[in-house]
Amino acid sequence: GAVVSQHPSRVICKSGTSVKIECRSLDFQATTMFWYRQFPKQSLMLMATSNEGSKATYEQGVEKDKFLINHASLTLSTLTVTSAHPEDSSFYICSATGTGHHYGYTFGSGTRLTVV
Amino acid sequence: AQKITQTQPGMFVQEKEAVTLDCTYDTSDPSYGLFWYKQPSSGEMIFLIYQGSYDQQNATEGRYSLNFQKARKSANLVISASQLGDSAMYFCAMSDYDMRFGAGTRLTVKP
Repeated sequence: GAVVSQHPSRVICKSGTSVKIECRSLDFQATTMFWYRQFPKQSLMLMATSNEGSKATYEQGVEKDKFLINHASLTLSTLTVTSAHPEDSSFYICSATGTGHHYGYTFGSGTRLTVV
Repeated sequence: AQKITQTQPGMFVQEKEAVTLDCTYDTSDPSYGLFWYKQPSSGEMIFLIYQGSYDQQNATEGRYSLNFQKARKSANLVISASQLGDSAMYFCAMSDYDMRFGAGTRLTVKP
């Protein structure tokens, strides 16, 4: 089946630094990538949607200059958390879809970010 | 805009019993997909079952079945013969392009 590899699985960074999270589709072309954030004991909240080769579309309230998304190829999308602060500590997870939108969403395994 | 509602923050079920997790949704798009995911403490999202808005029959996948009532806009998950390993968070989700999630239900299976 389709696989999305997400790295790193855990990262601890100092306040003010930037962190990059990668999601790679291993056996299919990810035309669309969705990025979610999940705080403890809460649901997954959609942050942004990116189509390969296009600028990402951010959800209301998500700072596009803080959460930089790059989807330059059909197999790789990255989320960079810039100037991270403790309130950015969260679980970040990507989901990719290829052809068609209603079926075939493949999730990465998630990244637990802790900003100290 | 999509809206997905899960009204049960937590549910308990006895091992080997069946349990129903509720989900209602709202969308103006006639074409959409409904999903259920299981999320254990590790955080990974485990796909359980899918129902398309035009599917005539309720979806089933092993011990999981989706009770799809389109007119009532509900998509309840039924887990039969609960096992201890079923204890986890369960999320209902809907897609008409992107995928959005309900608040989730924490299921605890008692031995």
